[in-house]
Amino acid sequence: EVQLVQSGAEVKEAGESLKISCKGSGYIFTSYWMGWVRQMPGKGLECMGIIHPGDSDTRYSPSFEGQVSISVDKSVSTAYLQWMSLKPSDTAIYYCVLIVVVTSTNWYFDLWGRGTLLTVSS
Amino acid sequence: QSVLTQPPSVSAAPGQKVTISCSGSSSNIGSNYVSWYQQLPGTAPKLFIYEDNKRPSGIPDRFSGSKSGTSATLGITGLQTGDEAAYYCGTWDGSLRAWVFGGGTEVTVL
Repeated sequence: EVQLVQSGAEVKEAGESLKISCKGSGYIFTSYWMGWVRQMPGKGLECMGIIHPGDSDTRYSPSFEGQVSISVDKSVSTAYLQWMSLKPSDTAIYYCVLIVVVTSTNWYFDLWGRGTLLTVSS
Repeated sequence: QSVLTQPPSVSAAPGQKVTISCSGSSSNIGSNYVSWYQQLPGTAPKLFIYEDNKRPSGIPDRFSGSKSGTSATLGITGLQTGDEAAYYCGTWDGSLRAWVFGGGTEVTVL
């Protein structure tokens, strides 16, 4: 069974750093793009960026460039989303997604993790 | 303000049909495939439609997708209480060079 297992909920203070994780299993980890999607409280979905585990090719959505870092560790089939200095506005649920890429402009989010709730206090 | 425009909510009685529109532009829907996602309350989103009108395995044929020009539509027939959820459209935007989602539509079964 293909699965994405995300790390647990986090409660942090503004200014702290954080790295959350997403472990893939049941498929060839290096063959599929992965991504991160943000959902702020009571709001819609926003794609933050994507990464190819095979070569770590990473693409950020313009709104998130410079705000977060996306990385992978192939040895443990895990993708990461990292912040160097959290802000209260980073409070949200963060979903890890498995992406099917048909062409460079035709892709879709095939499988979603359960989400990691991040709460940042001031 | 989302790049893709969806109505905030739609509703209908059990057994009836609803349609959810997703309006965009030539740089997104007009030139790229659309996918749709269902998000039940308190859960992660799930892929329901991809490449405009294809259903993943396990998705009932009561759900259908279509596209014309710069607009896409998700249709749900034989509405059931279990269909109450938020539905999001999404596609690539070539001008923004980013994946974009609609703002989401809440479906209510009366």
